[in-house]
Amino acid sequence: GENVEQHPSTLSVQEGDSAVIKCTYSDSASNYFPWYKQELGKRPQLIIDIRSNVGEKKDQRIAVTLNKTAKHFSLHITETQPEDSAVYFCAASIRRDDKIIFGKGTRLHILP
Amino acid sequence: DTGVSQDPRHKITKRGQNVTFRCDPISEHNRLYWYRQTLGQGPEFLTYFQNEAQLEKSRLLSDRFSAERPKGSFSTLEIQRTEQGDSAMYLCASRRQAGGYEQYFGPGTRLTVT
Repeated sequence: GENVEQHPSTLSVQEGDSAVIKCTYSDSASNYFPWYKQELGKRPQLIIDIRSNVGEKKDQRIAVTLNKTAKHFSLHITETQPEDSAVYFCAASIRRDDKIIFGKGTRLHILP
Repeated sequence: DTGVSQDPRHKITKRGQNVTFRCDPISEHNRLYWYRQTLGQGPEFLTYFQNEAQLEKSRLLSDRFSAERPKGSFSTLEIQRTEQGDSAMYLCASRRQAGGYEQYFGPGTRLTVT
């Protein structure tokens, strides 16, 4: 089955700097890659997603890139703000109706 | 609030007791998913339904676990003879079959087995 690896597990960046979180997946049939943000005690919320027919997608300060050949995908957050502090999960899904396989998460700390 | 709702939000039970959780998906969402999340980990898939049909069950879902969605609307997840290892956050998510890919998560039920 699909396996998603995520790095780093913890990331601290100065406010205003950029943060990058990297993930790899094992099943080349995966075609949907969502990113979720989870604040302490709250539900996971989708922040951006990308499908396998697209190499890059951007939404304001957030961008995702996908390298299908290498089975890598990454989340980039620019101009980080205190409210970006949370746990971020990458994930992969083989079919649109299928279960989502999550990485173990990255705890992002934005330092003042 | 028209989002996914779950009840109860917290449950403390003694080992060996049975517990049941409820999930109400967003109306018109015919896909419903259950995940389990332990501390410091990402959500792990347990099972999912299309309408009332249970289409897939994870190996994580032992015989002590059962899920139902009898009328294709709300779903229940029952754990029999709870064990301390069952302590986790149980998350429900839903999505439309047609349309976008996004799964919308509920707030979760936090289970503590003592």
